Formats: sequence, C-alpha cells, structure tokens
Amino acid sequence: EIVLTQSPDFQSVTPKEKVTITCRASQSIGSSLHWYQQKPDQSPKLLIKYASQSFSGVPSRFSGSGSGTDFTLTINSLEAEDAATYYCLQSSSLPHLWTFGQGTKVEIK
Amino acid sequence: EVQLVESGGGLVQPGGSLRLSCAASGFTFTTYEMNWVRQAPGKGLEWVSYISSSGSTIYYADSVKGRFTISRDNAKNSLYLQMNSLRVEDTAVYFCARHYSSSSGVVWDYWGQGTLVTVSS
Repeated sequence: EIVLTQSPDFQSVTPKEKVTITCRASQSIGSSLHWYQQKPDQSPKLLIKYASQSFSGVPSRFSGSGSGTDFTLTINSLEAEDAATYYCLQSSSLPHLWTFGQGTKVEIK
Repeated sequence: EVQLVESGGGLVQPGGSLRLSCAASGFTFTTYEMNWVRQAPGKGLEWVSYISSSGSTIYYADSVKGRFTISRDNAKNSLYLQMNSLRVEDTAVYFCARHYSSSSGVVWDYWGQGTLVTVSS
C-alpha cells in the first residue's frame, strides 16, 4: 500500500499569507496525485488534479506542483473562505489501492 | 451541471442493514465508473467500493468485504450500496464519487453531499 504523509497536520494562517502543504508518497506515483478541499459538513471538492492541473472553477490562488514522491499545494494570498481541511489522494494503481493523506487543517487567525 | 445526491442513511443497530442510493444527473452516467467513500466523525477519508461503468468489475475495501455490496442501475442513473452486518465502526458519512478517466490518468472529480450512517444500540 502506498502511504501518503501530509505536513503539517495543522496550520494557523493570517489572511493574505501564503500557505504551503506538502504530501509525500512512500513510493513513486508519477503525477497521479490530486488535492481536495473539504469545509466542515461539506463533501470534498477537487482543487488540483494530476499534481499541477487546476480543476474547473478553482480560484487561481490555488496551485500544485511535484512529481514522483514529493508534492506541494500552494495557496497564494489566503482568503477567509479557504479555511478547510486539505487532502491529497493518489491514483497510481487500481481503485482499491488508492489512498488519501491524513489531511491538513488550515485555520484563519 | 454534474449532481450526485445520496440518500438512505440513518440510525441502525449493530448487525442491521441499510441500502444507500446515489442519484446522478448532469452527465452520461452509463459511461462513468463510480465509487463510495466514507468519513467517520472527525476522521479522514476512506475508500469503500468501486464499480465499473457496466458493473462487471467491482472492488471492496477489506474492512467491508463480504458485508457490503455495490451495484448500479444505469437505466435509473443510480448507484447503490447495500450494507449488511453493520458494525459500530461503520458509522460515517458515505459519499458517492464520480471516477473520471482521461489521457492524464484517473481522478474522482465530483462528489455527492453525503449521507450519514449511524450504527448504535
């Protein structure tokens, strides 16, 4: 099983600050890494697919980078509405082997 | 607009059964693979089950294998999850998620709002 480890687990950030969340895979997964945003009592929303491709309708302040085992989600100029938990997901193999990171909670100071 | 709407959750005693439904609209359901993913209260996301567009290929997480059955009715644009022998640890919000395949790879692109299953005596 491919293990995804996110860091940090929690981040408290002031508005307009830049946020960087990392996701490290236990083995190489190419670009099969996606980022989701989940706000309280809502379903996950796809932000970035295939490591760096923005999903339709996602604000341009969200961007992704990386390949292989190390990936980064960047939120430029954080807004209050970005308070959420962010998850990475790897899809490098058959669906029953896909795994999530443990999540990173972003709080607005 | 892609829409996925789950229903069928509720309170059930340990050992009981529930059937979840996911109604799809806004896309050609028959051409998409689908999944169920769950989230226990205050916890992370856990994949539960996958079904191919025709229903011929199915996968389950080890935690639900032998107890849960995924199915679909393409004529009704609906996905189902039959849950039997429910355990307290099955308590979670259950989401259906669309499986999107492209030349870049595969991803779960749209999710429903979820339905809460509570297993308790």
